[in-house]
Amino acid sequence: GAVVSQHPSRVICKSGTSVKIECRSLDFQATTMFWYRQFPKQSLMLMATSNEGSKATYEQGVEKDKFLINHASLTLSTLTVTSAHPEDSSFYICSARDDSLNTEAFFGQGTRLTVV
Amino acid sequence: AQSVAQPEDQVNVAEGNPLTVKCTYSVSGNPYLFWYVQYPNRGLQFLLKYITGDNLVKGSYGFEAEFNKSQTSFHLKKPSALVSDSALYFCAVRTGGTASKLTFGTGTRLQVTL
Repeated sequence: GAVVSQHPSRVICKSGTSVKIECRSLDFQATTMFWYRQFPKQSLMLMATSNEGSKATYEQGVEKDKFLINHASLTLSTLTVTSAHPEDSSFYICSARDDSLNTEAFFGQGTRLTVV
Repeated sequence: AQSVAQPEDQVNVAEGNPLTVKCTYSVSGNPYLFWYVQYPNRGLQFLLKYITGDNLVKGSYGFEAEFNKSQTSFHLKKPSALVSDSALYFCAVRTGGTASKLTFGTGTRLQVTL
Protein backbone atom coordinates (compact mmCIF):
# COMPACT_ATOMS: atom_id res chain seq x y z
CA GLY A 1 0.00 0.00 0.00
CA ALA A 2 0.89 3.66 -0.21
CA VAL A 3 3.05 5.19 2.51
CA VAL A 4 2.23 8.17 4.68
CA SER A 5 4.99 9.45 6.92
CA GLN A 6 4.15 11.47 10.00
CA HIS A 7 6.76 13.30 12.04
CA PRO A 8 7.56 13.51 14.87
CA SER A 9 6.27 10.31 16.45
CA ARG A 10 6.56 11.78 19.93
CA VAL A 11 6.93 15.34 21.17
CA ILE A 12 6.95 16.92 24.59
CA CYS A 13 6.50 20.66 24.83
CA LYS A 14 5.93 23.29 27.47
CA SER A 15 2.61 25.02 27.97
CA GLY A 16 2.27 28.07 25.79
CA THR A 17 4.57 26.92 23.04
CA SER A 18 3.59 25.78 19.57
CA VAL A 19 4.20 22.40 17.99
CA LYS A 20 4.22 21.51 14.31
CA ILE A 21 3.39 18.02 13.05
CA GLU A 22 4.18 17.04 9.47
CA CYS A 23 2.37 14.54 7.31
CA ARG A 24 3.86 13.46 4.00
CA SER A 25 2.60 11.13 1.30
CA LEU A 26 5.73 9.44 0.01
CA ASP A 27 4.62 7.72 -3.16
CA PHE A 28 1.31 9.24 -4.20
CA GLN A 29 -0.38 12.59 -4.55
CA ALA A 30 -2.53 13.39 -1.56
CA THR A 31 -5.29 15.55 -2.93
CA THR A 32 -7.09 15.32 0.39
CA MET A 33 -5.59 15.01 3.84
CA PHE A 34 -7.35 14.47 7.12
CA TRP A 35 -6.26 15.19 10.68
CA TYR A 36 -7.62 13.15 13.56
CA ARG A 37 -7.28 13.20 17.30
CA GLN A 38 -7.54 10.03 19.34
CA PHE A 39 -8.10 9.91 23.08
CA PRO A 40 -7.10 6.82 25.08
CA LYS A 41 -9.28 3.82 24.34
CA GLN A 42 -11.46 5.85 22.01
CA SER A 43 -12.08 6.09 18.32
CA LEU A 44 -10.64 8.68 15.98
CA MET A 45 -12.19 12.11 16.03
CA LEU A 46 -11.91 13.98 12.74
CA MET A 47 -10.55 17.46 13.31
CA ALA A 48 -10.30 18.84 9.81
CA THR A 49 -10.10 18.05 6.13
CA SER A 50 -7.70 19.81 3.85
CA ASN A 51 -7.30 19.97 0.10
CA GLU A 52 -4.10 21.07 -1.56
CA GLY A 53 -3.95 24.81 -2.03
CA SER A 54 -7.14 25.65 -0.18
CA LYS A 55 -8.18 26.37 3.38
CA ALA A 56 -8.93 23.46 5.64
CA THR A 57 -12.49 22.60 6.61
CA TYR A 58 -12.78 22.17 10.35
CA GLU A 59 -15.25 19.98 12.16
CA GLN A 60 -17.66 21.53 14.60
CA GLY A 61 -16.04 22.32 17.91
CA VAL A 62 -12.48 22.37 16.60
CA GLU A 63 -10.75 25.73 17.03
CA LYS A 64 -9.20 26.67 13.72
CA ASP A 65 -7.01 29.34 15.29
CA LYS A 66 -5.58 26.82 17.70
CA PHE A 67 -5.07 23.97 15.26
CA LEU A 68 -3.56 25.53 12.16
CA ILE A 69 -3.55 23.30 9.12
CA ASN A 70 -1.59 23.95 5.97
CA HIS A 71 -1.73 21.79 2.84
CA ALA A 72 0.72 23.60 0.62
CA SER A 73 1.57 20.78 -1.75
CA LEU A 74 0.21 17.46 -2.93
CA THR A 75 2.57 15.60 -0.65
CA LEU A 76 2.69 17.65 2.54
CA SER A 77 0.27 18.84 5.16
CA THR A 78 1.13 20.30 8.54
CA LEU A 79 -0.81 20.67 11.76
CA THR A 80 0.41 23.31 14.18
CA VAL A 81 -0.92 23.25 17.72
CA THR A 82 -0.57 26.85 18.86
CA SER A 83 -0.18 27.93 22.47
CA ALA A 84 -0.43 24.35 23.60
CA HIS A 85 -1.97 23.46 26.94
CA PRO A 86 -1.97 20.17 28.86
CA GLU A 87 -5.51 19.41 27.64
CA ASP A 88 -4.12 19.35 24.09
CA SER A 89 -2.07 16.29 25.02
CA SER A 90 -3.28 13.51 22.77
CA PHE A 91 -2.47 11.19 19.89
CA TYR A 92 -2.75 12.97 16.55
CA ILE A 93 -3.04 10.99 13.32
CA CYS A 94 -3.05 12.17 9.73
CA SER A 95 -4.33 10.38 6.70
CA ALA A 96 -4.05 11.04 3.00
CA ARG A 97 -6.07 10.07 -0.02
CA ASP A 98 -5.63 10.36 -3.76
CA ASP A 99 -9.10 11.28 -4.93
CA SER A 100 -8.29 10.62 -8.56
CA LEU A 101 -8.15 6.94 -7.63
CA ASN A 102 -11.22 7.09 -5.36
CA THR A 103 -9.62 4.60 -3.06
CA GLU A 104 -8.86 4.15 0.58
CA ALA A 105 -7.09 6.64 2.81
CA PHE A 106 -3.67 5.78 4.18
CA PHE A 107 -2.62 6.75 7.65
CA GLY A 108 0.52 8.10 9.22
CA GLN A 109 1.98 6.42 12.27
CA GLY A 110 0.65 9.08 14.62
CA THR A 111 2.19 11.68 16.92
CA ARG A 112 1.99 11.45 20.68
CA LEU A 113 1.89 15.04 21.98
CA THR A 114 2.48 15.68 25.66
CA VAL A 115 2.18 19.23 26.95
CA VAL A 116 3.76 19.84 30.34
CA ALA B 1 -25.64 11.34 8.51
CA GLN B 2 -23.53 8.22 8.24
CA SER B 3 -22.59 6.04 11.18
CA VAL B 4 -20.81 2.83 12.08
CA ALA B 5 -21.53 0.53 14.99
CA GLN B 6 -19.08 -1.97 16.43
CA PRO B 7 -21.16 -3.60 19.17
CA GLU B 8 -18.29 -5.41 20.90
CA ASP B 9 -15.64 -3.54 22.84
CA GLN B 10 -13.53 -6.67 23.00
CA VAL B 11 -13.45 -10.06 21.34
CA ASN B 12 -11.49 -12.92 22.88
CA VAL B 13 -10.49 -15.95 20.86
CA ALA B 14 -8.02 -18.79 21.19
CA GLU B 15 -5.23 -19.08 18.66
CA GLY B 16 -6.22 -21.32 15.79
CA ASN B 17 -9.92 -20.64 16.19
CA PRO B 18 -11.95 -18.58 13.74
CA LEU B 19 -12.64 -14.97 14.64
CA THR B 20 -15.38 -12.51 13.78
CA VAL B 21 -15.42 -8.79 14.53
CA LYS B 22 -18.82 -7.26 13.91
CA CYS B 23 -19.66 -4.05 12.12
CA THR B 24 -22.93 -2.51 10.97
CA TYR B 25 -23.33 0.77 9.15
CA SER B 26 -25.82 3.41 8.17
CA VAL B 27 -25.31 5.63 5.14
CA SER B 28 -27.29 7.35 2.42
CA GLY B 29 -26.31 5.97 -0.92
CA ASN B 30 -23.85 3.26 -1.79
CA PRO B 31 -21.39 2.58 1.02
CA TYR B 32 -17.64 2.35 0.75
CA LEU B 33 -16.60 0.15 3.67
CA PHE B 34 -13.18 -0.32 5.21
CA TRP B 35 -11.42 -2.20 7.97
CA TYR B 36 -8.28 -0.86 9.61
CA VAL B 37 -6.10 -2.28 12.37
CA GLN B 38 -4.20 -0.28 14.97
CA TYR B 39 -1.31 -1.49 17.08
CA PRO B 40 -0.34 0.39 20.29
CA ASN B 41 0.93 3.93 19.68
CA ARG B 42 0.71 3.48 15.94
CA GLY B 43 -1.44 4.83 13.16
CA LEU B 44 -4.01 2.75 11.33
CA GLN B 45 -3.10 0.08 8.82
CA PHE B 46 -5.47 -0.66 5.97
CA LEU B 47 -6.78 -4.24 5.92
CA LEU B 48 -9.46 -4.37 3.25
CA LYS B 49 -12.26 -2.50 1.56
CA TYR B 50 -15.56 -3.00 -0.20
CA ILE B 51 -16.57 -0.54 -2.88
CA THR B 52 -18.38 -2.61 -5.44
CA GLY B 53 -18.41 -6.10 -6.89
CA ASP B 54 -18.08 -9.38 -5.01
CA ASN B 55 -19.60 -9.24 -1.54
CA LEU B 56 -16.76 -11.29 -0.06
CA VAL B 57 -13.62 -9.22 0.15
CA LYS B 58 -10.21 -10.65 0.93
CA GLY B 59 -7.54 -8.51 2.51
CA SER B 60 -4.19 -8.47 4.21
CA TYR B 61 -2.91 -11.07 6.71
CA GLY B 62 -5.63 -13.60 5.84
CA PHE B 63 -8.54 -11.39 6.84
CA GLU B 64 -11.77 -11.20 4.89
CA ALA B 65 -15.09 -9.44 5.24
CA GLU B 66 -18.53 -9.96 3.81
CA PHE B 67 -20.71 -7.10 2.67
CA ASN B 68 -24.36 -7.80 3.46
CA LYS B 69 -26.59 -5.09 2.08
CA SER B 70 -29.84 -6.36 3.58
CA GLN B 71 -28.32 -6.49 7.06
CA THR B 72 -26.15 -3.41 6.50
CA SER B 73 -23.22 -5.33 7.90
CA PHE B 74 -19.56 -5.75 7.06
CA HIS B 75 -18.18 -8.24 9.57
CA LEU B 76 -14.46 -8.96 9.63
CA LYS B 77 -13.43 -12.61 9.72
CA LYS B 78 -10.39 -14.83 9.78
CA PRO B 79 -10.47 -18.64 9.65
CA SER B 80 -7.60 -19.17 12.09
CA ALA B 81 -6.54 -16.48 14.55
CA LEU B 82 -2.94 -15.77 15.52
CA VAL B 83 -1.66 -14.21 18.74
CA SER B 84 -0.09 -11.51 16.56
CA ASP B 85 -3.58 -10.51 15.38
CA SER B 86 -4.23 -9.02 18.81
CA ALA B 87 -4.87 -5.33 18.18
CA LEU B 88 -7.57 -2.69 17.89
CA TYR B 89 -9.79 -2.99 14.82
CA PHE B 90 -11.79 -0.17 13.30
CA CYS B 91 -14.59 -0.39 10.78
CA ALA B 92 -15.22 2.73 8.70
CA VAL B 93 -17.69 3.92 6.08
CA ARG B 94 -17.93 6.72 3.57
CA THR B 95 -19.79 7.43 0.39
CA GLY B 96 -18.20 8.08 -2.96
CA GLY B 97 -17.08 11.48 -4.07
CA THR B 98 -14.06 13.58 -3.32
CA ALA B 99 -15.77 15.44 -0.50
CA SER B 100 -16.67 12.34 1.46
CA LYS B 101 -15.20 11.72 4.90
CA LEU B 102 -14.59 8.48 6.73
CA THR B 103 -16.73 7.76 9.75
CA PHE B 104 -15.20 5.29 12.17
CA GLY B 105 -16.72 2.87 14.59
CA THR B 106 -15.62 2.92 18.21
CA GLY B 107 -13.19 0.09 17.66
CA THR B 108 -13.04 -3.51 18.86
CA ARG B 109 -10.10 -4.87 20.74
CA LEU B 110 -9.19 -8.37 19.59
CA GLN B 111 -7.36 -10.51 22.10
CA VAL B 112 -5.97 -13.80 20.83
CA THR B 113 -4.58 -16.16 23.46
CA LEU B 114 -2.60 -19.37 23.29
